[in-house]
Amino acid sequence: DADVTQTPRNRITKTGKRIMLECSQTKGHDRMYWYRQDPGLGLRLIYYSFDVKDINKGEISDGYSVSRQAQAKFSLSLESAIPNQTALYFCATSGLDGYTFGSGTRLTVV
Amino acid sequence: KNEVEQSPQNLTAQEGEFITINCSYSVGISALHWLQQHPGGGIVSLFMLSSGKKKHGRLIATINIQEKHSSLHITASHPRDSAVYICAVRLGGYQLIWGAGTKLIIKP
Repeated sequence: DADVTQTPRNRITKTGKRIMLECSQTKGHDRMYWYRQDPGLGLRLIYYSFDVKDINKGEISDGYSVSRQAQAKFSLSLESAIPNQTALYFCATSGLDGYTFGSGTRLTVV
Repeated sequence: KNEVEQSPQNLTAQEGEFITINCSYSVGISALHWLQQHPGGGIVSLFMLSSGKKKHGRLIATINIQEKHSSLHITASHPRDSAVYICAVRLGGYQLIWGAGTKLIIKP
Protein backbone atom coordinates (compact mmCIF):
# COMPACT_ATOMS: atom_id res chain seq x y z
CA ASP A 1 0.00 0.00 0.00
CA ALA A 2 1.14 3.51 -0.76
CA ASP A 3 2.22 5.72 2.14
CA VAL A 4 -0.26 8.40 1.04
CA THR A 5 -3.39 7.26 -0.76
CA GLN A 6 -5.74 9.57 -2.60
CA THR A 7 -9.18 8.71 -3.90
CA PRO A 8 -10.50 9.00 -6.49
CA ARG A 9 -7.64 9.08 -8.99
CA ASN A 10 -9.78 10.72 -11.63
CA ARG A 11 -13.13 12.46 -11.42
CA ILE A 12 -15.33 14.36 -13.80
CA THR A 13 -18.08 16.39 -12.19
CA LYS A 14 -20.60 19.00 -13.20
CA THR A 15 -20.57 22.68 -12.27
CA GLY A 16 -22.34 23.28 -8.99
CA LYS A 17 -21.89 19.77 -7.62
CA ARG A 18 -20.28 19.11 -4.25
CA ILE A 19 -17.31 16.81 -4.41
CA MET A 20 -14.97 15.34 -1.83
CA LEU A 21 -11.41 14.19 -2.38
CA GLU A 22 -10.04 11.85 0.24
CA CYS A 23 -6.55 11.29 1.53
CA SER A 24 -5.21 8.76 3.99
CA GLN A 25 -1.64 8.15 5.14
CA THR A 26 0.36 5.48 6.91
CA LYS A 27 3.44 7.63 7.54
CA GLY A 28 2.36 8.61 11.02
CA HIS A 29 2.97 12.25 10.16
CA ASP A 30 1.02 14.95 11.97
CA ARG A 31 1.30 17.47 9.14
CA MET A 32 -0.91 17.09 6.09
CA TYR A 33 -1.48 19.35 3.10
CA TRP A 34 -3.70 19.78 0.06
CA TYR A 35 -2.16 21.31 -3.06
CA ARG A 36 -3.42 22.00 -6.51
CA GLN A 37 -1.36 21.99 -9.67
CA ASP A 38 -2.28 23.77 -12.87
CA PRO A 39 -0.38 23.30 -16.13
CA GLY A 40 2.87 25.29 -16.20
CA LEU A 41 2.50 26.45 -12.61
CA GLY A 42 4.05 25.34 -9.37
CA LEU A 43 1.98 23.66 -6.70
CA ARG A 44 -0.24 25.99 -4.72
CA LEU A 45 -1.28 25.31 -1.16
CA ILE A 46 -5.01 25.09 -0.48
CA TYR A 47 -5.14 24.01 3.18
CA TYR A 48 -2.82 22.51 5.70
CA SER A 49 -3.22 20.81 9.06
CA PHE A 50 -0.61 20.29 11.76
CA ASP A 51 -2.80 18.00 13.81
CA VAL A 52 -6.42 16.97 14.12
CA LYS A 53 -7.43 20.19 15.86
CA ASP A 54 -5.29 22.53 13.79
CA ILE A 55 -6.47 23.46 10.29
CA ASN A 56 -5.24 26.46 8.36
CA LYS A 57 -5.96 28.16 5.08
CA GLY A 58 -3.30 28.22 2.42
CA GLU A 59 -2.86 30.68 -0.40
CA ILE A 60 -5.92 29.61 -2.45
CA SER A 61 -8.53 28.33 0.01
CA ASP A 62 -11.57 30.12 -1.43
CA GLY A 63 -14.12 27.62 -2.73
CA TYR A 64 -12.61 24.75 -0.75
CA SER A 65 -13.04 23.28 2.71
CA VAL A 66 -11.26 20.48 4.55
CA SER A 67 -11.84 18.02 7.34
CA ARG A 68 -9.19 16.25 9.41
CA GLN A 69 -11.08 13.22 10.62
CA ALA A 70 -8.07 11.56 12.24
CA GLN A 71 -4.30 11.85 12.18
CA ALA A 72 -4.31 9.63 9.12
CA LYS A 73 -7.18 11.19 7.18
CA PHE A 74 -7.53 14.61 5.57
CA SER A 75 -10.29 15.28 3.05
CA LEU A 76 -10.82 18.19 0.70
CA SER A 77 -14.27 19.35 -0.40
CA LEU A 78 -15.38 21.58 -3.20
CA GLU A 79 -18.72 22.89 -2.00
CA SER A 80 -19.94 23.98 -5.42
CA ALA A 81 -17.50 23.02 -8.14
CA ILE A 82 -16.69 25.47 -10.91
CA PRO A 83 -14.73 24.89 -14.14
CA ASN A 84 -11.64 26.83 -13.00
CA GLN A 85 -11.22 24.27 -10.24
CA THR A 86 -10.25 21.78 -12.92
CA ALA A 87 -6.74 20.78 -11.88
CA LEU A 88 -4.53 18.05 -10.48
CA TYR A 89 -4.87 17.85 -6.70
CA PHE A 90 -2.23 16.43 -4.40
CA CYS A 91 -2.36 15.44 -0.78
CA ALA A 92 0.96 15.41 1.06
CA THR A 93 2.35 14.73 4.49
CA SER A 94 5.56 15.96 6.07
CA GLY A 95 7.78 14.85 8.89
CA LEU A 96 11.44 14.74 9.81
CA ASP A 97 12.04 12.54 6.76
CA GLY A 98 10.61 15.14 4.38
CA TYR A 99 7.49 15.24 2.28
CA THR A 100 5.47 12.34 0.91
CA PHE A 101 2.90 12.89 -1.82
CA GLY A 102 -0.13 10.99 -2.92
CA SER A 103 -0.51 10.01 -6.56
CA GLY A 104 -2.84 12.89 -7.25
CA THR A 105 -6.49 13.30 -8.19
CA ARG A 106 -7.23 14.64 -11.64
CA LEU A 107 -10.44 16.61 -11.32
CA THR A 108 -12.36 17.96 -14.28
CA VAL A 109 -15.35 20.26 -13.75
CA VAL A 110 -17.58 20.56 -16.78
CA LYS B 1 10.04 38.24 -9.73
CA ASN B 2 9.50 34.67 -8.59
CA GLU B 3 11.13 33.78 -5.32
CA VAL B 4 12.25 30.42 -6.71
CA GLU B 5 13.67 30.29 -10.22
CA GLN B 6 14.62 27.10 -12.00
CA SER B 7 16.70 26.78 -15.12
CA PRO B 8 16.43 25.55 -17.70
CA GLN B 9 12.66 25.26 -18.10
CA ASN B 10 13.10 22.47 -20.63
CA LEU B 11 16.06 20.22 -21.27
CA THR B 12 16.49 17.50 -23.87
CA ALA B 13 19.61 15.35 -23.80
CA GLN B 14 20.94 12.07 -25.09
CA GLU B 15 21.18 8.99 -22.94
CA GLY B 16 24.41 8.95 -20.98
CA GLU B 17 24.84 12.71 -20.73
CA PHE B 18 25.55 14.49 -17.46
CA ILE B 19 22.56 16.64 -16.53
CA THR B 20 22.48 19.77 -14.39
CA ILE B 21 19.33 21.56 -13.27
CA ASN B 22 19.66 24.80 -11.33
CA CYS B 23 17.55 26.46 -8.67
CA SER B 24 18.01 29.98 -7.36
CA TYR B 25 16.01 31.56 -4.60
CA SER B 26 15.75 34.99 -3.08
CA VAL B 27 14.54 34.36 0.46
CA GLY B 28 16.08 32.98 3.61
CA ILE B 29 15.28 29.29 3.87
CA SER B 30 15.42 26.50 6.40
CA ALA B 31 15.68 23.76 3.78
CA LEU B 32 15.47 23.08 0.06
CA HIS B 33 13.72 20.15 -1.54
CA TRP B 34 14.19 18.50 -4.89
CA LEU B 35 11.26 16.46 -6.17
CA GLN B 36 10.54 14.47 -9.29
CA GLN B 37 7.18 14.41 -11.02
CA HIS B 38 6.63 11.51 -13.35
CA PRO B 39 4.71 11.85 -16.62
CA GLY B 40 1.77 10.14 -14.94
CA GLY B 41 1.67 12.94 -12.36
CA GLY B 42 3.03 11.30 -9.21
CA ILE B 43 5.51 13.33 -7.15
CA VAL B 44 8.46 11.77 -5.38
CA SER B 45 10.72 13.54 -2.94
CA LEU B 46 14.37 13.14 -3.99
CA PHE B 47 16.35 15.24 -1.54
CA MET B 48 15.96 17.57 1.39
CA LEU B 49 19.00 19.81 1.88
CA SER B 50 20.00 22.49 4.30
CA SER B 51 23.71 22.52 3.50
CA GLY B 52 26.39 20.82 1.48
CA LYS B 53 25.75 17.90 -0.80
CA LYS B 54 23.73 14.70 -0.92
CA LYS B 55 23.99 11.72 -3.24
CA HIS B 56 21.55 8.94 -3.99
CA GLY B 57 22.46 6.58 -6.78
CA ARG B 58 23.06 8.62 -9.92
CA LEU B 59 21.53 11.77 -8.42
CA ILE B 60 23.54 14.44 -6.65
CA ALA B 61 22.15 17.59 -5.06
CA THR B 62 24.20 20.51 -3.83
CA ILE B 63 23.32 23.74 -2.12
CA ASN B 64 25.23 26.97 -1.53
CA ILE B 65 23.41 28.87 1.18
CA GLN B 66 25.47 32.05 0.76
CA GLU B 67 24.76 32.23 -2.95
CA LYS B 68 21.14 31.04 -2.54
CA HIS B 69 21.63 28.42 -5.19
CA SER B 70 21.17 24.69 -5.55
CA SER B 71 21.90 22.24 -8.34
CA LEU B 72 20.59 18.79 -9.13
CA HIS B 73 22.90 16.59 -11.18
CA ILE B 74 22.13 13.32 -12.91
CA THR B 75 25.06 11.20 -14.00
CA ALA B 76 24.81 8.65 -16.84
CA SER B 77 21.29 9.82 -17.68
CA HIS B 78 18.74 7.29 -18.87
CA PRO B 79 15.36 7.64 -20.60
CA ARG B 80 13.65 6.61 -17.37
CA ASP B 81 15.00 9.84 -15.82
CA SER B 82 12.61 11.77 -18.08
CA ALA B 83 10.36 13.73 -15.75
CA VAL B 84 9.73 17.18 -14.36
CA TYR B 85 12.17 18.10 -11.61
CA ILE B 86 10.89 20.59 -9.07
CA CYS B 87 12.80 22.70 -6.58
CA ALA B 88 10.95 23.92 -3.49
CA VAL B 89 12.29 25.99 -0.63
CA ARG B 90 10.99 25.82 2.90
CA LEU B 91 10.74 28.96 4.92
CA GLY B 92 10.51 28.70 8.68
CA GLY B 93 7.78 26.31 9.67
CA TYR B 94 5.51 24.72 7.08
CA GLN B 95 5.57 27.00 4.08
CA LEU B 96 7.03 25.72 0.84
CA ILE B 97 7.62 27.97 -2.14
CA TRP B 98 7.68 26.00 -5.34
CA GLY B 99 9.61 26.47 -8.53
CA ALA B 100 7.77 25.93 -11.79
CA GLY B 101 9.81 22.85 -12.62
CA THR B 102 12.28 21.71 -15.27
CA LYS B 103 11.01 19.28 -17.86
CA LEU B 104 13.74 16.80 -18.71
CA ILE B 105 13.62 14.47 -21.69
CA ILE B 106 16.37 11.89 -22.16
CA LYS B 107 16.47 10.38 -25.63
CA PRO B 108 17.78 6.86 -26.17
